[in-house]
Amino acid sequence: EDQVTQSPEALRLQEGESSSLNCSYTVSGLRGLFWYRQDPGKGPEFLFTLYSAGEEKEKERLKATLTKKESFLHITAPKPEDSATYLCAVQANYGGSQGNLIFGKGTKLSVKP
Amino acid sequence: ETGVTQTPRHLVMGMTNKKSLKCEQHLGHNAMYWYKQSAKKPLELMFVYSLEERVENNSVPSRFSPECPNSSHLFLHLHTLQPEDSALYLCASSQGYAGGSYNEQFFGPGTRLTVL
Repeated sequence: EDQVTQSPEALRLQEGESSSLNCSYTVSGLRGLFWYRQDPGKGPEFLFTLYSAGEEKEKERLKATLTKKESFLHITAPKPEDSATYLCAVQANYGGSQGNLIFGKGTKLSVKP
Repeated sequence: ETGVTQTPRHLVMGMTNKKSLKCEQHLGHNAMYWYKQSAKKPLELMFVYSLEERVENNSVPSRFSPECPNSSHLFLHLHTLQPEDSALYLCASSQGYAGGSYNEQFFGPGTRLTVL
């Protein structure tokens, strides 16, 4: 069964304290792995797509990396405005629902000034 | 308007009411989705439309009825809901669905539904 697990469930950082969020997955052939950011009461905002192991993408203080079993979202010198829930999702290459995204439960990040 | 819009943003309804949620995408996409988001749970896919044809119905109770009149608009008709249906309902769209396409989905702001 295709599955996505995110850890930790919640993460509290001081401003400037770098850290990483983890997304581990099992899927019938990975077509793509997606990271989203979600602010309270809003819809998820698309951040990155990763397609193959070894790929990396960056946006401001965020850097996403991908291996064959997991992805990391590295946050360098975070600011309070980076506080949000970060969602990971995968799309499978095979199976009856290959167009669907399978989401994890998310990591709630709080950055204190 | 840009991106994906949803109306209303908040909805309170009784168990015997009938209401509809509306979604509109301004991205020229061909696929649209309804998701349910409840606390402490992953996003639950409810329905998928590709080129205005329903391609996924994820065992959703019949009290939820989707409608996709064209590739830009998606509705979710609600009737005889239960209190456990209270959640954030999200609409999303993507360029394509399956068939070799990468499924970068873009979400609307959601409708916060409360069923009394």
